[in-house]
Amino acid sequence: QVQLVQSGSALERPGASVKISCKASGYTFTNHVLAWVRQVPGQGLEWMGWINTNTGNPMYGRDFTGRFVLSLDTSVTTAYLQILSLKAEDSAVYYCSRGSNFDSWGQGTLVTVSS
Amino acid sequence: DVVMTQSPLSLPVTLGQPASISCKSSQSLVSSDGNVYLNWFHQRPGQSPRRLIYKVSNRDSGVPDRFTGSGSGTDFTLHISRVEAEDVGFFYCMQATHWPSFGGGTKLEIK
Repeated sequence: QVQLVQSGSALERPGASVKISCKASGYTFTNHVLAWVRQVPGQGLEWMGWINTNTGNPMYGRDFTGRFVLSLDTSVTTAYLQILSLKAEDSAVYYCSRGSNFDSWGQGTLVTVSS
Repeated sequence: DVVMTQSPLSLPVTLGQPASISCKSSQSLVSSDGNVYLNWFHQRPGQSPRRLIYKVSNRDSGVPDRFTGSGSGTDFTLHISRVEAEDVGFFYCMQATHWPSFGGGTKLEIK
């Protein structure tokens, strides 16, 4: 069965960076884009962008350009979200999801940015 | 960007009663391939979202048939024929015809 397993929670200082992983299994990794979604505590879902798992080409949502980097390692069927120069407002749960219609989701990774 | 507007924000429902959630898009969701990529998700407290409905009215595997999606163009609805306790949480619509965007969510609670 399709599984997306994300890395664990992270506590980071403002200005630092964090890299979240999303390990996919149970399907052909390169057949579906891998999307990322942010959920600030108590708020809704925001599409951050996705990465084409065939070409490695990322596409970012309008509010997620500059400090957000999507990448892949197809040899281990894993996608990554890196956030640079962390700010307090980056504190959120980050989800990976399969495909352009989000049919499967990871368990989420809580990132807390605090001094 | 396509704005998705859900209503109501909060939906108190008695167990066993029906419920409906509306979702309106700021642009037509008819894709160039003729499909309408409008999906519905359910998020229980403390859990990841789970897709219930894709392309307006198609139920995902394992989704009870008391969940029904309908609509066209810019107006869509999720119907629950008989609310059960496990339905508590947030429901989100999402369009993927254009760059993806989610509705703001509807919180379903039991009266």
